[in-house]
Amino acid sequence: DTAVSQTPKYLVTQMGNDKSIKCEQNLGHDTMYWYKQDSKKFLKIMFSYNNKELIINETVPNRFSPKSPDKAHLNLHINSLELGDSAVYFCASSQDSDVGSYTFGSGTRLTVV
Amino acid sequence: AQKITQTQPGMFVQEKEAVTLDCTYDTSDPSYGLFWYKQPSSGEMIFLIYQGSYDQQNATEGRYSLNFQKARKSANLVISASQLGDSAMYFCAFARSGGSYIPTFGRGTSLIVHP
Repeated sequence: DTAVSQTPKYLVTQMGNDKSIKCEQNLGHDTMYWYKQDSKKFLKIMFSYNNKELIINETVPNRFSPKSPDKAHLNLHINSLELGDSAVYFCASSQDSDVGSYTFGSGTRLTVV
Repeated sequence: AQKITQTQPGMFVQEKEAVTLDCTYDTSDPSYGLFWYKQPSSGEMIFLIYQGSYDQQNATEGRYSLNFQKARKSANLVISASQLGDSAMYFCAFARSGGSYIPTFGRGTSLIVHP
C-alpha cells in the first residue's frame, strides 16, 4: 500500500481553469503538507496543516487553497490557473512526535498551457 | 528561522569512488532532525537517511552515511562506491522536533556519476 498517494500524477490544463490535486496518507500522521517544486528544482513549502492549525506560506497566492475533509486527506485547489503555476506539486505527511517520520508522495506534474 | 545551505549545485564522481555532498544549517533549536532525499530523473523523492540532533553516532544506511558535525552545524552526505544509478538530485532538509514543524529544504546538488 502506498503511504502517501497523490492523484493525478500528471495534469495538463488551460489557463484560467480551476483544478484540484488530491492527497491521501494511510500512515495515521498528524500533519500534512504541500510543496511546490519549480523548474530549478527548488522545493518551496506552500501549506502545513493538522487538525489544529493551518500554516500558510505568505508568498502563496490566495488562488491556492488546501482543503482537508479529514485527517488522512489534504487536497490542493487551484483557481484561475496561470502559466507560472506549472510545476511539480508534492504532498507529504508526518507524525508530530516523530521528526523522522516525514514521508513524501510521488508528486503531481501540473502543466498549464 | 532555520536556514539550510547546499553550496554545491553540481558534483561529478567516477563510478566506484566515494563522494561527499555538503549541507550546512543554521538554527538555535536544541532538538531537530536532518534528512537527505534523492530525486532521480523520474521525479519521486526518495528518503535516504535521517540524523537526530541528539543521536550520538552518525547515521548510516547501506552505502549512505551522514557526517554529522553538530558544532559546525553540518550534515554532509557521504556516498561510498558510487554507482551509475546514484546520478540524481540530492536534497538536504532540516526540521525542528516536536509539535507542528515545517521541514526546510536546501536547493539541492545534482550528482553525476561517470562510468
